[in-house]
Amino acid sequence: TQLLEQSPQFLSIQEGENLTVYCNSSSVFSSLQWYRQEPGEGPVLLVTVVTGGEVKKLKRLTFQFGDARKDSSLHITAAQPGDTGLYLCAGSIYNTDKLIFGTGTRLQVFP
Amino acid sequence: DAGITQSPRHKVTETGTPVTLRCHQTENHRYMYWYRQDPGHGLRLIHYSYGVKDTDKGEVSDGYSVSRSKTEDFLLTLESATSSQTSVYFCASLADGTEAFFGQGTRLTVV
Repeated sequence: TQLLEQSPQFLSIQEGENLTVYCNSSSVFSSLQWYRQEPGEGPVLLVTVVTGGEVKKLKRLTFQFGDARKDSSLHITAAQPGDTGLYLCAGSIYNTDKLIFGTGTRLQVFP
Repeated sequence: DAGITQSPRHKVTETGTPVTLRCHQTENHRYMYWYRQDPGHGLRLIHYSYGVKDTDKGEVSDGYSVSRSKTEDFLLTLESATSSQTSVYFCASLADGTEAFFGQGTRLTVV
């Protein structure tokens, strides 16, 4: 059973469109992170959110941590072909040292 | 970039043989993790370590064992490889509550 479920699993859009990726769990997380992975490489951190309700912006990317610290979302405004990749959420389960990852969202942005 | 290396990068082995994958980090990070990545599953946690000789199981630990005799090294062993263990394996390390740094992965094929 995957503790962190992401949706959608695949997303194929045109350049300039907006999109949102969701990361949901029934568990509480002390922090939640978003990573991006390119083919043949390991994931690379985009952002960490720690406080329930927190919103962080990274240029065209907006990240939100749910009030109950069980879910998160990633919103991309005006997607570009360079945003293409695998997006993964990851969370540290509250009171444990486990860092678990979501199922992943594969994004393709066409010019 | 954090110094974390995996070896070997690619391996083909026969069913029933033992296999050991090595992860080496030079950042003196306390935590180290082993994941496997398969299509549709994101990264699934196999085992993790929170210090020298301190390890614990993850979501998919059956058929795998680990050892951490030094801070910098975390070994993953498949005692008797099976075809279901064909996957890409990633190692990660992190300090307390910070970004996880990943190796470049080991592609293991069990024939």
